[in-house]
Amino acid sequence: AQSVAQPEDQVNVAEGNPLTVKCTYSVSGNPYLFWYVQYPNRGLQFLLKYITGDNLVKGSYGFEAEFNKSQTSFHLKKPSALVSDSALYFCAVTGSASKIIFGSGTRLSIRP
Amino acid sequence: GAGVSQSPSNKVTEKGKDVELRCDPISGHTALYWYRQSLGQGLEFLIYFQGNSAPDKSGLPSDRFSAERTGGSVSTLTIQRTQQEDSAVYLCASSFDGRGSYQETQYFGPGTRLLVL
Repeated sequence: AQSVAQPEDQVNVAEGNPLTVKCTYSVSGNPYLFWYVQYPNRGLQFLLKYITGDNLVKGSYGFEAEFNKSQTSFHLKKPSALVSDSALYFCAVTGSASKIIFGSGTRLSIRP
Repeated sequence: GAGVSQSPSNKVTEKGKDVELRCDPISGHTALYWYRQSLGQGLEFLIYFQGNSAPDKSGLPSDRFSAERTGGSVSTLTIQRTQQEDSAVYLCASSFDGRGSYQETQYFGPGTRLLVL
């Protein structure tokens, strides 16, 4: 069965430090992986996606994610966090012909 | 350019009443999705429309929920005989889905916040 897990409900990071938001998945066949961000009182926005090609995917706002097939992970990273990065982050996965499934979300809090 | 719009932005209704939620996708986007986001929860897939194909209704939680998409553009999500557990934010998204799959980037509307008293 297809699934996606975000093991951390909340991640707290000091401004300027690197951040990682974890995501693991399970899907039949090749995975298609996404990260979306939800800022307070705003809709979800696309950050980045992995379909095929380079395992390191670069996205909006300086974020990047690394596809690791052996570990079935797609962790979201940023070298230097900003207070404005504080938001709710969702990982999502789909297979070649299956509906997309979103994780439960991780709330990222960046302290000044 | 215009993004995905949803109306109303907020809806308060009484238990047992029917409600209709509207979504206007981005012009030219062939795929349209409805999700439900309950307080503190992730996104729950409800239904997916792709062009003229039969919609994927596998996420609809009960037969009280239905959706239609007229002319391949505007979509309406209808909840009949609302229950308190239907209270949530209902999100609509669209994508330019030339391959009839879920792989395309989705563009989300601001959502409709539904409260059933």
